[in-house]
Amino acid sequence: KAGVTQTPRYLIKTRGQQVTLSCSPISGHRSVSWYQQTPGQGLQFLFEYFSETQRNKGNFPGRFSGRQFSNSRSEMNVSTLELGDSALYLCASSLASRGNYNEQFFGPGTRLTVL
Amino acid sequence: KNQVEQSPQSLIILEGKNCTLQCNYTVSPFSNLRWYKQDTGRGPVSLTIMTFSENTKSNGRYTATLDADTKQSSLHITASQLSDSASYICVVSSPRGTLTFGKGTMLLVSP
Repeated sequence: KAGVTQTPRYLIKTRGQQVTLSCSPISGHRSVSWYQQTPGQGLQFLFEYFSETQRNKGNFPGRFSGRQFSNSRSEMNVSTLELGDSALYLCASSLASRGNYNEQFFGPGTRLTVL
Repeated sequence: KNQVEQSPQSLIILEGKNCTLQCNYTVSPFSNLRWYKQDTGRGPVSLTIMTFSENTKSNGRYTATLDADTKQSSLHITASQLSDSASYICVVSSPRGTLTFGKGTMLLVSP
């Protein structure tokens, strides 16, 4: 069974631009969560989608948004990029809601660099 | 405020030696605690998941313990190997699904 895939793996953007990241969950998984990981803050939860609906949201500004499609694939969009948005963005999928005992499986991440 | 504190921040050990990583949390109410291993440039991989009633769980050379009374967990690595070099992240979940992450312990196993 294929794992969680994320595209692109690496991305370089300049301040003010916008970016869209993509995540394909493991087949059969309906929950997709997004995280931002930086050396100083560690992993921080962005949001979770389940059956095309946003179920949970972290404390990030409105510039960060996402959506989920009927095939459970998810996209994350960041508008008006800032230098501080440089980070590894991780996507994780699970069978059901992330808060349950269901294990989350992480993708390899997208490394975003904002210049 | 829910917090997860991990110690040490970083650790260097010789190949073949054992080590123990610590995780203290203030998350309440508590549902489960997970340990993840994250290799450089990769996503985290789950090592163990423990609920309130579980005190110990093993996964090969990795053994996690949980003391829900003192809100402490540890991850013990036996007979370390070079491939154990990674970041180890402790994550605590509330019953509502809120996940609180520790900042991780960076382990370097030296030959």
